[in-house]
Amino acid sequence: NAGVMQNPRHLVRRRGQEARLRCSPMKGHSHVYWYRQLPEEGLKFMVYLQKENIIDESGMPKERFSAEFPKEGPSILRIQQVVRGDSAAYFCASSPDGTGESDQPQHFGDGTRLSIL
Amino acid sequence: AQSVSQHNHHVILSEAASLELGCNYSYGGTVNLFWYVQYPGQHLQLLLKYFSGDPLVKGIKGFEAEFIKSKFSFNLRKPSVQWSDTAEYFCAVKVGNQGGKLIFGQGTELSVKP
Repeated sequence: NAGVMQNPRHLVRRRGQEARLRCSPMKGHSHVYWYRQLPEEGLKFMVYLQKENIIDESGMPKERFSAEFPKEGPSILRIQQVVRGDSAAYFCASSPDGTGESDQPQHFGDGTRLSIL
Repeated sequence: AQSVSQHNHHVILSEAASLELGCNYSYGGTVNLFWYVQYPGQHLQLLLKYFSGDPLVKGIKGFEAEFIKSKFSFNLRKPSVQWSDTAEYFCAVKVGNQGGKLIFGQGTELSVKP
């Protein structure tokens, strides 16, 4: 009965490198959300995806960040040319539908702690 | 822009004390409301949720929350805390016409002394 699986749990990168964060939603869930938690702050929404579609990317930085959720495989959050300010915990959540009108809450993964040297 | 405010950043209580954590949101339309808990080193877990109906919502582990629409509030309560309730608590709002995204408060760290 696996929940939302994120890997890696910890990721260290040097400035200028690329970071790839993976998220496998719960079984039966087709909607994925990415959130970022900076030190001493709450979680901030980044992007909401369905299979092969980006539904809402209003929280994504305009440059260097991208996300995908392919037909097969996990969702990927990709950060190119990382900078110190990208250091944060990145959480993925999934739900069985869009939770637009239903009462299905989002289930969260353990997060990926990204550290930039 | 919609926002969620949690007034207490860090709360320290002794075991058996009563708990109330404040949460206010700014949005005039339909909202769904959540409280999540994050135990040290673990993922966020849903404590309780409000979608409609009775504004007094009961969740897991003896927690409850009351939705007061006129005050735009959704405060979390527990009559008697335990040491195992030590964790960070997040209030979140899903705005009715904005798909699935959650807007989180900044969190309240609760420390319960044995």
